[in-house]
Amino acid sequence: EVQLVESGGHFVQRGGSLRLSCAASGFTFSSYSMNWVRQAPGKGLEWVSHISGGSGTIYYADSVRGRFTISRDNAKNSVYLQMNSLRDEDTGVYYCTRVPPRPGIAAAEFDYWGQGTLVTVSS
Amino acid sequence: QSALTQPASVSGSPGQSITISCTGTSSDFGPYNLVSWYQHNPGKAPKLLIFEVSKRPSGVSYRFSGSKSGNTASLTITGLQAEDEANYYCCSYTARSSLVVFGGGTKLTVL
Repeated sequence: EVQLVESGGHFVQRGGSLRLSCAASGFTFSSYSMNWVRQAPGKGLEWVSHISGGSGTIYYADSVRGRFTISRDNAKNSVYLQMNSLRDEDTGVYYCTRVPPRPGIAAAEFDYWGQGTLVTVSS
Repeated sequence: QSALTQPASVSGSPGQSITISCTGTSSDFGPYNLVSWYQHNPGKAPKLLIFEVSKRPSGVSYRFSGSKSGNTASLTITGLQAEDEANYYCCSYTARSSLVVFGGGTKLTVL
């Protein structure tokens, strides 16, 4: 059974840093791209970042580029999101998602999601 | 502001059918048929319902179906059940650096 378990969400002051983790199980982790998607309170879903199975391809949303860094450790079946210079608008639930492989397309849909971890940014 | 436009809410009675629209621009959808739909109950993990406009993953009920015409994609749920009450999101691959865009979400109420 595919499982994605996020952790690391916390209250953090504006301008601070946080590292989210996602532990994966139930599939060959290194064969899949992984993404982070977030949801601000009362808002819709927003794609945040993408990393390919071998970490060779990485993308970021314009809203987080330069502040967030995605990485993965295939030996630990884990993907991470380092978040720096946090802003109020970064508040929300962050979901770890798996991307089914599709030739030539980095990420078109997300077939498994974790339950999310809550990040709260405030002064 | 979300790139894809969905109605904020829809409602229907048990047994009825409803359709949720998802409207974007030609650059949102591109030449691809890579629209997906997700069901999300608050506090739970979102669930993939439809991919590639109209395909259902294994285990998803036949009551859920997707379609697309021009720059509008649609999710139809037939034979509404109380358990269908949830938030629904559309998503499209864009081929831009932002990769994918989501709709703002639609809250389905089963009366």
